[in-house]
Amino acid sequence: AAGVIQSPRHLIKEKRETATLKCYPIPRHDTVYWYQQGPGQDPQFLISFYEKMQSDKGSIPDRFSAQQFSDYHSELNMSSLELGDSALYFCASSLGRNNEQFFGPGTRLTVL
Amino acid sequence: GIQVEQSPPDLILQEGANSTLRCNFSDSVNNLQWFHQNPWGQLINLFYIPSGTKQNGRLSATTVATERYSLLYISSSQTTDSGVYFCAVGPLLVFGAGTILRVKS
Repeated sequence: AAGVIQSPRHLIKEKRETATLKCYPIPRHDTVYWYQQGPGQDPQFLISFYEKMQSDKGSIPDRFSAQQFSDYHSELNMSSLELGDSALYFCASSLGRNNEQFFGPGTRLTVL
Repeated sequence: GIQVEQSPPDLILQEGANSTLRCNFSDSVNNLQWFHQNPWGQLINLFYIPSGTKQNGRLSATTVATERYSLLYISSSQTTDSGVYFCAVGPLLVFGAGTILRVKS
């Protein structure tokens, strides 16, 4: 079965640079979520989209923005990167807002 | 917000042993999921179990929603079971701190 696809899988950036992470949900899933997992921590919810509209917002820094496109893929844009942004970023998708979430393999971002 | 507590924080097992992991949550939820995070960082869905009991091979889970807890049972553990087990509750998933499981051969 098709899974959630994330790209790139690994990304290395310098401080103050920008980064764009992409997420392709499972076909027919209409809801996308972004989570951030710092080293040794549990994943933290950042933001979600339902039917291409932002639906919920968590602990997402103002330097980050995201959107969901007409084909339901989503992008997380991160600007003015800081060392503390180094983390594993997960995208998840679900069919409907309150149903089981399926996670992608994650993008490991390292900020130097 | 919802608080999620997992116990034990660490667990070391000999291969073949059984174990029970617990997840307590502070409010009623409509989504509860168990995940296994492998050494490569991937989050593997184990169960979607807001209530009731489910089994999948050597793993089973029970959620008692009225008492706000869930249990994950691992039987006949294998070295490949090692990793971090997360409980997460929703609708927007709030994760517990996880249980680090090490299975020794």
